[in-house]
Amino acid sequence: DGGITQSPKYLFRKEGQNVTLSCEQNLNHDAMYWYRQDPGQGLRLIYYSQIVNDFQKGDIAEGYSVSREKKESFPLTVTSAQKNPTAFYLCASSIGWTSGASQETQYFGPGTRLLVL
Amino acid sequence: GQQVMQIPQYQHVQEGEDFTTYCNSSTTLSNIQWYKQRPGGHPVFLIQLVKSGEVKKQKRLTFQFGEAKKNSSLHITATQTTDVGTYFCAVGTNSGAGSYQLTFGKGTKLSVIP
Repeated sequence: DGGITQSPKYLFRKEGQNVTLSCEQNLNHDAMYWYRQDPGQGLRLIYYSQIVNDFQKGDIAEGYSVSREKKESFPLTVTSAQKNPTAFYLCASSIGWTSGASQETQYFGPGTRLLVL
Repeated sequence: GQQVMQIPQYQHVQEGEDFTTYCNSSTTLSNIQWYKQRPGGHPVFLIQLVKSGEVKKQKRLTFQFGEAKKNSSLHITATQTTDVGTYFCAVGTNSGAGSYQLTFGKGTKLSVIP
């Protein structure tokens, strides 16, 4: 069954704690993305990666970090520097331009809801 | 990324009424995509428009791309309760060196009253 999985579905963070959100895809996609969704704010891009071992900051990267050591995985760490982390976090992937095709359609995982205690 | 304005932010309709959401940009777009997010769910790709003046239909949904490629609309005919959700437009930006990203509008949340 191909697709994107995110875990956990719900995550609670204490003040001053770093937490890592998991995102895995078995679609053989080159590109992966992390978005944050707040009510009435739409989706805002945190980080994206067009290829393994490379990633770029999106519009709201401060307080977040990522890694892309494997093609299938793109974990997001919400650090203690992120002062307002409560949100719905969505991971997405696409075939990517490095595959030589302009298939920009993004496929989203089910999301992780992060709450600060 | 590019900025795109989506209106209205909310729309409440009686079941059977039509619904339209609009996306507008101050710059010419290379393409525009539309996604639907059901309550509690994740965005799901609906369609991509590329050509000036393009019109595409999916059953009761009609998507249009403006002649100047600066605006787009999604129209739903005779809404049903299954149409409930938030509809987003998204525009792509190629930053060069293989760097590509989507910028999403803030979405239009559709409520359908049975």
